[in-house]
Amino acid sequence: TQLLEQSPQFLSIQEGENLTVYCNSSSVFSSLQWYRQEPGEGPVLLVTVVTGGEVKKLKRLTFQFGDARKDSSLHITAAQPGDTGLYLCAGTPYSGGGADGLTFGKGTHLIIQP
Amino acid sequence: KAGVTQTPRYLIKTRGQQVTLSCSPISGHRSVSWYQQTPGQGLQFLFEYFSETQRNKGNFPGRFSGRQFSNSRSEMNVSTLELGDSALYLCASSSWGGITYNEQFFGPGTRLTVL
Repeated sequence: TQLLEQSPQFLSIQEGENLTVYCNSSSVFSSLQWYRQEPGEGPVLLVTVVTGGEVKKLKRLTFQFGDARKDSSLHITAAQPGDTGLYLCAGTPYSGGGADGLTFGKGTHLIIQP
Repeated sequence: KAGVTQTPRYLIKTRGQQVTLSCSPISGHRSVSWYQQTPGQGLQFLFEYFSETQRNKGNFPGRFSGRQFSNSRSEMNVSTLELGDSALYLCASSSWGGITYNEQFFGPGTRLTVL
């Protein structure tokens, strides 16, 4: 069972459209992060959300952490071909110990067609 | 500040062989984590080292091992390679500033192919 479920797995849209990617879990997380990975490269950190209900914006990308800290979403406005990539959510499960490894979702493959 | 570096970038091995991968973290980062990425399973946590001690371990067989040196550089070793070990192996470093979050900075990975 995947601790973090991402949806959709694949998404192909036209340039200029809006989209939302979801990251859900039945577990509570101390924090959630979003990464973007391009072919042949390692993931690059986009944002970390820590507080339930938190919203962070990075240019055309808006990240939200659920109130219960079990889910997160990534919304892209007016998508551009440069947004193409694999989007991964990752979290630190809340165990109280503070030394847990980072858990990743399987990712959303996003293709923005010109 | 230089990023995380991994060597080699590509490796081809045959079943039964062993392999050692190397990772140099961002200067000042004391935590190094290793991940295996495959199309089917995604990114899976292997282990984390902090100040030369393995602090956390994922659910992988004992054929996968690692170590960290006093300069925070890390190596991982896979013995008795199997076809299923073919994957992108990613190293990530972290400053590990607190217990509430664990921001990872990744290297480009080592692509291992087992024939």
